[in-house]
Amino acid sequence: GQQLNQSPQSMFIQEGEDVSMNCTSSSIFNTWLWYKQDPGEGPVLLIALYKAGELTSNGRLTAQFGITRKDSFLNISASIPSDVGIYFCAGQNYGGSQGNLIFGKGTKLSVKP
Amino acid sequence: NAGVTQTPKFQVLKTGQSMTLQCAQDMNHEYMSWYRQDPGMGLRLIHYSVGAGITDQGEVPNGYNVSRSTTEDFPLRLLSAAPSQTSVYFCASSTNRVNTGELFFGEGSRLTVL
Repeated sequence: GQQLNQSPQSMFIQEGEDVSMNCTSSSIFNTWLWYKQDPGEGPVLLIALYKAGELTSNGRLTAQFGITRKDSFLNISASIPSDVGIYFCAGQNYGGSQGNLIFGKGTKLSVKP
Repeated sequence: NAGVTQTPKFQVLKTGQSMTLQCAQDMNHEYMSWYRQDPGMGLRLIHYSVGAGITDQGEVPNGYNVSRSTTEDFPLRLLSAAPSQTSVYFCASSTNRVNTGELFFGEGSRLTVL
């Protein structure tokens, strides 16, 4: 089946630094999404991308849908302690069983105060 | 604004016991799904439903059963619990039965099978 490779698996950063993480696949997707999971909570949608090449921002977060439709990246600018959590990428194709999301294994972000 | 509500939040079972994880959403979403989350494995789809009376298997359906008699509720049944089913379970729903990527997740149910 389709798999997503998400990297890095974990990262420690200094408060105020910028963060980058990415997701790649051997298959193309129609939609890329990024979720964040706080400790003890369910994932929450951060950004959804629907067109190849699309660049979308949500506050300090910026995500891009790769032009090949096989990758996506997420940037966080000027990180703060509340950015701690696990970030998941997810890819989707429309319709039937293909409409279900495929999730990456997550990037665990820890911020040094 | 309850969103997606899961009960119980924590449960300990013995091998062979059965139980039902409850999920309810008050957003009139057609699409609902169950995921399990294991360390280093991300989220894996167990079962999903695109509307009342319709269910289908996801990536890891074995040992689980679902039904969807109403739009609001989507319970997950463990038929005979095994230690391999120790996990955190998330219910999620979406407003769009075709483009289902924009999911709303519950807070999770943490299950331990001894």
